[in-house]
Amino acid sequence: DQQVKQNSPSLSVQEGRISILNCDYTNSMFDYFLWYKKYPAEGPTFLISISSIKDKNEDGRFTVFLNKSAKHLSLHIVPSQPGDSAVYFCAASDTGANSKLTFGKGITLSVRP
Amino acid sequence: GAGVSQSPSNKVTEKGKDVELRCDPISGHTALYWYRQSLGQGLEFLIYFQGNSAPDKSGLPSDRFSAERTGGSVSTLTIQRTQQEDSAVYLCASSLSGVREKLFFGSGTQLSVL
Repeated sequence: DQQVKQNSPSLSVQEGRISILNCDYTNSMFDYFLWYKKYPAEGPTFLISISSIKDKNEDGRFTVFLNKSAKHLSLHIVPSQPGDSAVYFCAASDTGANSKLTFGKGITLSVRP
Repeated sequence: GAGVSQSPSNKVTEKGKDVELRCDPISGHTALYWYRQSLGQGLEFLIYFQGNSAPDKSGLPSDRFSAERTGGSVSTLTIQRTQQEDSAVYLCASSLSGVREKLFFGSGTQLSVL
């Protein structure tokens, strides 16, 4: 049972344009969401997070939007750069203080020069 | 070192053999996680250690899998009688105190069971 779903396995965008990566979740107890970025042969690295008390969080070129009623979040990257080409994982945790992170399958983003 | 260190980086073993994977977390991090990523899949939670609390083993796929964390630092993931479906990248992560703190991942151990 996939509680965090990233239904599009890949996305290709032109350099300078916006990349929109989507994520859906099924567990209504999830209240904290994160995006991680992974390059080949490296571990994932933290990118940005959002708490359920917010609907938007911005950090430079990266913005995460949360729609709690739709159980949907998205990561916007603008402008996209070739160095952004990587696998992006959406992750979520619930209200438990020691809750583990549940990850999606990831989206492979390719930014064309 | 400054980051999470995992060894070996690659391990090839024969079906039925036991393997041990090691993780050195960032010094001072009390939380340690093991995840694995099989081909085409997301990161699958395996086990979580937090300080002196009993570990959360709810993600271990079978009793062939076990993990320990000695002295609140280094962790070892052991897979007994390996099967081909155990082939995956095993990732270790640590955080300062828990999941609300961002996780720092190691580069992983690529396990191949022939």
